[in-house]
Amino acid sequence: QSALTQPASVSGSPGQSITISCTGTSSDVSDYNYVSWYQQQPGKAPKLMIYDVTSRPSGVSNRFSGSKSGNTASLTISGLQAEDEADYYCSSYSNTNTWVFGGGTKLTVL
Amino acid sequence: EVQLLESGGGLVQRGGSLRLSCAASGFTFSSNAMSWVRQAPGKGLEWVSSIRGSGINTYYADSVKGRFTISRDNSKNTLYLQMNSLRAEDTAVYYCARVKSMAPTHDYWGQGTLVTASS
Repeated sequence: QSALTQPASVSGSPGQSITISCTGTSSDVSDYNYVSWYQQQPGKAPKLMIYDVTSRPSGVSNRFSGSKSGNTASLTISGLQAEDEADYYCSSYSNTNTWVFGGGTKLTVL
Repeated sequence: EVQLLESGGGLVQRGGSLRLSCAASGFTFSSNAMSWVRQAPGKGLEWVSSIRGSGINTYYADSVKGRFTISRDNSKNTLYLQMNSLRAEDTAVYYCARVKSMAPTHDYWGQGTLVTASS
């Protein structure tokens, strides 16, 4: 149950695109198409943004997209907006009927 | 509208016990697996435990196995987490979260309840 690896921080200017990576192992990310991404604003509960690697829940902007290659998943936010500034966490279902989260990435909109 | 409302958090001595509850509404509670996820102050998210809709199958993180027990009462639409032998490192906001049907992800989260294990 080792945590997934994410960069501690990323930044971008309004209108730009940014990508957050999430690296796992053969027990989770690479073996399952069950990677999710969550957005967490300060003092709030996490909000599901992407699931099953590429799917968006109803109501989530199409500026958010997900992908995966091997043991690394990625979240891309295009047309960056001030309201996107938040912490982002990846998560993967694993082969032991458990979930593992990444350490989180703080997104700063410059 | 799906709603999850946690309660039961508070200050407890190290080595003590606490039971968290999560009242669910807005969906057929017994149809969904449920999880507890925690977040230590200033830290990231950590999956703690999950339980199938029937309540028969339960799963735990290694960090809480043998100390925490997840359960549910489908007649009361309520999820529980019994926490024993609490340690300083158990101090966190505890969220209950619904596991989405047909997809192993957490689609709805409660607002969280703070547990502080202090000497």
